[in-house]
Amino acid sequence: SAVISQKPSRDICQRGTSLTIQCQVDSQVTMMFWYRQQPGQSLTLIATANQGSEATYESGFVIDKFPISRPNLTFSTLTVSNLSPEDSSIYLCSVEAVASLTGELFFGEGSRLTVL
Amino acid sequence: RKEVEQDPGPFNVPEGATVAFNCTYSNSASQSFFWYRQDCRKEPKLLMSVYSSGNEDGRFTAQLNRASQYISLLIRDSKLSDSATYLCVVNMNTGNQFYFGTGTSLTVIP
Repeated sequence: SAVISQKPSRDICQRGTSLTIQCQVDSQVTMMFWYRQQPGQSLTLIATANQGSEATYESGFVIDKFPISRPNLTFSTLTVSNLSPEDSSIYLCSVEAVASLTGELFFGEGSRLTVL
Repeated sequence: RKEVEQDPGPFNVPEGATVAFNCTYSNSASQSFFWYRQDCRKEPKLLMSVYSSGNEDGRFTAQLNRASQYISLLIRDSKLSDSATYLCVVNMNTGNQFYFGTGTSLTVIP
């Protein structure tokens, strides 16, 4: 299993500002995933953060809006830039279980963002 | 078409009831299948993986039908603590792409 610490757990931001979310894992992992869960919706993958290379973004998500850092194998940040009310959501950091034959994901507790 | 589709519910069942959730997936190349549980305002947590032969964990039984591309979860003898949203998750195993269903809401009533 993996223990993932994510912060902030919640924040209220003004439109036009940015919020950076941090994710710390208690073990080294190759890939870290950033998901968004909008109210009443399921999880949507924003991007995959790889150490030593640029993040891989999913369709509909761009680096200018969601810049990601991955300085080492245990840490990543996601910034949500130029905030608008539509960015109000829960953002979740996730890693795949190490040495898992079938693959399973562990999640941080999420960062609940409200944009006014 | 969505990669993974679930009936969102809500399912409201009395304690002790048996309830079943189904989920369909669109890509026949999908390799791994899971049920996650998400409590209100919490992160998703793995409930169980789903194997081709079907698998059981206490009151929970998961089954996979590759031919029809659906996954099921059966909960027997429902408890109040089973109230949550259950997410169907499919992994392509290529590029580590996990696809989530919208979740099925379950409320177990005393």
